Amino acid sequence: AQRVTQPEKLLSVFKGAPVELKCNYSYSGSPELFWYVQYSRQRLQLLLRHISRESIKGFTADLNKGETSFHLKKPFAQEEDSAMYYCALTNTGGFKTIFGAGTRLFVKA
Amino acid sequence: NAGVTQTPKFQVLKTGQSMTLQCAQDMNHNSMYWYRQDPGMGLRLIYYSASEGTTDKGEVPNGYNVSRLNKREFSLRLESAAPSQTSVYFCASSPGLMNTGELFFGEGSRLTVL
Repeated sequence: AQRVTQPEKLLSVFKGAPVELKCNYSYSGSPELFWYVQYSRQRLQLLLRHISRESIKGFTADLNKGETSFHLKKPFAQEEDSAMYYCALTNTGGFKTIFGAGTRLFVKA
Repeated sequence: NAGVTQTPKFQVLKTGQSMTLQCAQDMNHNSMYWYRQDPGMGLRLIYYSASEGTTDKGEVPNGYNVSRLNKREFSLRLESAAPSQTSVYFCASSPGLMNTGELFFGEGSRLTVL
C-alpha cells in the first residue's frame, strides 16, 4: 500500500537557519515523489519533483530509496518560506497521488 | 487564466441534506481529482477520473459520488451529508492519461455540516 509520512506537524526555525522537512514513504514499486506548498491564501502548488532533480526557491530534495525518504532541505530559511508543505507520492503508471499529513513551516525573524 | 475553478467556495449544510460541488478546468487536462483536507490528516483522495468517461474510488470514497460530465467538468455529490464530511474540498487536474506529473489545484470549497 502507498503511504506518505511527515513526522513533524510544525517546524519553527529562525531566518537564516537551515531547514529540513522530513518525508518517508512506503511503496513497493518505483514511486514518483513531489513536494507541494501552500502559502497563506494561495492555492496548493507544486514546489519540486524528484525526477527533475531541480532546486526551486533554494529548496532541494533527494530521493533515498534505501531509507525510503524524500526530505526537503534549504540551507538558509527565509521568512517568505513560511507555509504548509506536503510530500506526495504517485505510483508509477498509476493515477493516484497520495499526500502526507503536511508540515507547517514557520520562519521567525 | 482561470485554471481549475470550484464552486461554491463556502457552504453550510444540515445533516441529511444533499449538495454538489462543481469543478471545471480550462487546461484541456485529461485527469481530474477530488481531495478532502482535514487538520492533521493532509489531503486524502476521494475519487478520481483518469480520463473522460471513467471514474474510480480513492482512499475515502464512502458517502460521495462523482460525475465526469465532460472533459472539463468533474462534480462531487454528497447525497446525505454527515458532520464527518465537514472539510475543505479540493479539485485538481493533471495533463496526461498517466498521472506522472504536476497536479493543478482549485482554491478549495469549505463545507460545514451541522
